Amino acid sequence: AQSVTQLDSHVSVSEGTPVLLRCNYSSSYSPSLFWYVQHPNKGLQLLLKYTSAATLVKGINGFEAEFKKSETSFHLTKPSAHMSDAAEYFCVVSGSGNTPLVFGKGTRLSVIA
Amino acid sequence: GAGVSQSPSNKVTEKGKDVELRCDPISGHTALYWYRQSLGQGLEFLIYFQGNSAPDKSGLPSDRFSAERTGGSVSTLTIQRTQQEDSAVYLCASSLSKREMNEQFFGPGTRLTVL
Repeated sequence: AQSVTQLDSHVSVSEGTPVLLRCNYSSSYSPSLFWYVQHPNKGLQLLLKYTSAATLVKGINGFEAEFKKSETSFHLTKPSAHMSDAAEYFCVVSGSGNTPLVFGKGTRLSVIA
Repeated sequence: GAGVSQSPSNKVTEKGKDVELRCDPISGHTALYWYRQSLGQGLEFLIYFQGNSAPDKSGLPSDRFSAERTGGSVSTLTIQRTQQEDSAVYLCASSLSKREMNEQFFGPGTRLTVL
């Protein structure tokens, strides 16, 4: 069985400051991990994915995430928040092949001017 | 090229009525998924189609829910005798079938409101 836990339901940062969205996963085998973003009234968009290659994964819009097996974590970071980053972020885990994704509960990111 | 499309974008119905939600996946994608996003429940998997194989229906919440995929392309999710707790955004996603991990591409969703 696989699961993800997003440790914060809501994170608020000031524009220009770093972003950290935390995610821990549980998987009985080597997982594939993703971060998706959902802007208000928009569809889910893939930010980045980890599939057992490099442990530091770079995504779109300046986001990156580091896979840490020892900590079972896959935290999402960005050095400097922008107003347009305000959205809901989902940490997601999947097994091999085309298995359905298992979503975390989501973290709502607010960016204050 | 075109992404995943869903129709209608919004659906308001009365309790007890049946509804059909449609999903057009990306051309060439053999895997198709339905998810539901509701307040307090997050995003949950409903059903999954892979090529001509029997669908994985393990996520369907009750026998009022069913889905089919005709010709390996378009899919329809049907909810019979709708209840207020069915109100949610229903998301469809598709992906290529390949050995390495696929990316699922999501449609914009159908917002269902049951009065």
